[in-house]
Amino acid sequence: EDQVTQSPEALRLQEGESSSLNCSYTVSGLRGLFWYRQDPGKGPEFLFTLYSAGEEKEKERLKATLTKKESFLHITAPKPEDSATYLCAVEETSGSRLTFGEGTQLTVNP
Amino acid sequence: GAGVSQSPSNKVTEKGKDVELRCDPISGHTALYWYRQSLGQGLEFLIYFQGNSAPDKSGLPSDRFSAERTGGSVSTLTIQRTQQEDSAVYLCASSLARRDLHFGNGTRLTVT
Repeated sequence: EDQVTQSPEALRLQEGESSSLNCSYTVSGLRGLFWYRQDPGKGPEFLFTLYSAGEEKEKERLKATLTKKESFLHITAPKPEDSATYLCAVEETSGSRLTFGEGTQLTVNP
Repeated sequence: GAGVSQSPSNKVTEKGKDVELRCDPISGHTALYWYRQSLGQGLEFLIYFQGNSAPDKSGLPSDRFSAERTGGSVSTLTIQRTQQEDSAVYLCASSLARRDLHFGNGTRLTVT
């Protein structure tokens, strides 16, 4: 059974204080690893898809990386508007669904 | 363009009543998913539709839950004889050929 574990559960940063969120996964065959951002009262918003170990993708202050066992979401010089819950999900090669982790709630204080 | 639309945005119902939740996916998206998000928990897969293929119903928690997708577009999730543990946010997502999922803002269901 696919498993996705995100850490930490919650993270408080000061504006400008860079950090990383972790997503560890267990899957028989990885088709893709996905990162989403979710704001309160909203549905998850797609950020990145990573397909193979060593792949990296960037968007503004966010960079996602992937190894064979985990993915990191690096946040460089975060701003208060980066505050949200960040969700990681995996899709198995033989599957039709995404399996989500429970998310990391990020708060960036001004 | 228009995103995934879900209605109602909020639904309060009494235990034992049936409810219907609606999802309008992005036009042209062939795949449609239903997920459930309970307070403080991750997203739980419920059901997946892809084109005209038989849906993957393996995530439905009980036979009180059912879903259909008419004409390859709009989908309805029906919960019969609702229980308090059904209270959650029900999220719909659509995608083009199993690529990146685009989520609606969900229906918050409260069973009293």
